[in-house]
Amino acid sequence: DQQVKQNSPSLSVQEGRISILNCDYTNSMFDYFLWYKKYPAEGPTFLISISSIKDKNEDGRFTVFLNKSAKHLSLHIVPSQPGDSAVYFCAASGTNQAGTALIFGKGTTLSVSS
Amino acid sequence: DTGVSQDPRHKITKRGQNVTFRCDPISEHNRLYWYRQTLGQGPEFLTYFQNEAQLEKSRLLSDRFSAERPKGSFSTLEIQRTEQGDSAMYLCASSLAFGPVDEQFFGPGTRLTVL
Repeated sequence: DQQVKQNSPSLSVQEGRISILNCDYTNSMFDYFLWYKKYPAEGPTFLISISSIKDKNEDGRFTVFLNKSAKHLSLHIVPSQPGDSAVYFCAASGTNQAGTALIFGKGTTLSVSS
Repeated sequence: DTGVSQDPRHKITKRGQNVTFRCDPISEHNRLYWYRQTLGQGPEFLTYFQNEAQLEKSRLLSDRFSAERPKGSFSTLEIQRTEQGDSAMYLCASSLAFGPVDEQFFGPGTRLTVL
């Protein structure tokens, strides 16, 4: 049973437009959420995070929104650039999880065309 | 390069053989994690260490898997009697954390192929 779900396997966006990647979770005990980006043949790279006490966190072109009542978060990339093309993983953690283990979704492949 | 490093990057082995992977975390990081990633899936937690103590193990970590982190520095993950189902990318991550959650920095992974 997947606790973190990324229901869109892929997303294609034109350069300069907004990319919106979505993530849903089922465990209400999750209290910390992270987004990672992964290029081929590399490990995931941390992008941005948000605590459950907030509903928005912004870092440059990247903004993460959290809707706790809907158990939904989204990552907005504005403006999108070709270098953003990668697999994006949503991850969650909570104090009741195995240590500080991150629970990952299956990922969404973002393609930004110029 | 001061990131997380893993060795080897690729390993091909025959079923039934033992393999060992090494992870060198970012030097000041006190937590070290092992994850496994198969095609089309996100990373799945295997185990984690705080300093030299192994504090959690996933049910995915069968008896054939063992991990160590002597002296709280590098870590090794050994798989005994490998099976074809063990073929995956094995990822190591580290973090500097004092609270219950933290930002984990991943290495490039070791890709294991079991023939």
